[in-house]
Amino acid sequence: QSVLTQPPSVSAAPGQKVTISCSGGNSNIGNNYVSWYQQFPGTAPKLLIYDNDKRPSGIPDRFSGSKSGTSATLAITGLQTGDEADYYCGTWESRLTKGVFGGGTKLTVL
Amino acid sequence: QLQLQESGPGLVRPSETLSLTCTVSGGSINNTDFYWAWVRQPPGKGLEWIGSISHSGNTYYSPSLKSRVTITLDTSKSQFSLQLSSVTAADTAFYYCTREMFTSGWDLDCWGQGTLVTVSS
Repeated sequence: QSVLTQPPSVSAAPGQKVTISCSGGNSNIGNNYVSWYQQFPGTAPKLLIYDNDKRPSGIPDRFSGSKSGTSATLAITGLQTGDEADYYCGTWESRLTKGVFGGGTKLTVL
Repeated sequence: QLQLQESGPGLVRPSETLSLTCTVSGGSINNTDFYWAWVRQPPGKGLEWIGSISHSGNTYYSPSLKSRVTITLDTSKSQFSLQLSSVTAADTAFYYCTREMFTSGWDLDCWGQGTLVTVSS
């Protein structure tokens, strides 16, 4: 059981927009920044979004993040088949002093 | 460019101790802005943060693993290590070493390629 809750899967057609939600509580998302990670099969996760809405160098602006209260959202516009991957949200859990992740969301581009 | 590389046995017997090392290249392990962390992922499942260590040896451990985990740092070799004792089949996973940032938020901005550790007799 993950501390952060994500939908197991989402899907959309190429060119469309998809959003992935991440729900937590006051001791994690509510009082800390959120990051997002992209993982392709057989490879290590990669930082996609940090500090709720910032993109590391090289990440296209099709990827965006936002946070409101105890929830965060990853949005991907102009979907491409190459975006098919697993996406994880993460943040610091202040009460337990540990890093925590969502259970992951598998994106399918139909 | 910063690179992290895990190394260690791919097979560990039940009840024994899992030991992995991460070698950091292309950047300083002494950088005060970062911690160095371990994350694991059972095959087909999600990510689990194990713990991390600062340049000065300050550590954070996941409460669920704290009794079995030790993370150490060897700055002379630019390496940090993970030891997980009394392993069971539930500890079978891909183990990743990462660079951890606490500057504003909490982020893992650089990952090793990962290594699969199987616990089996």
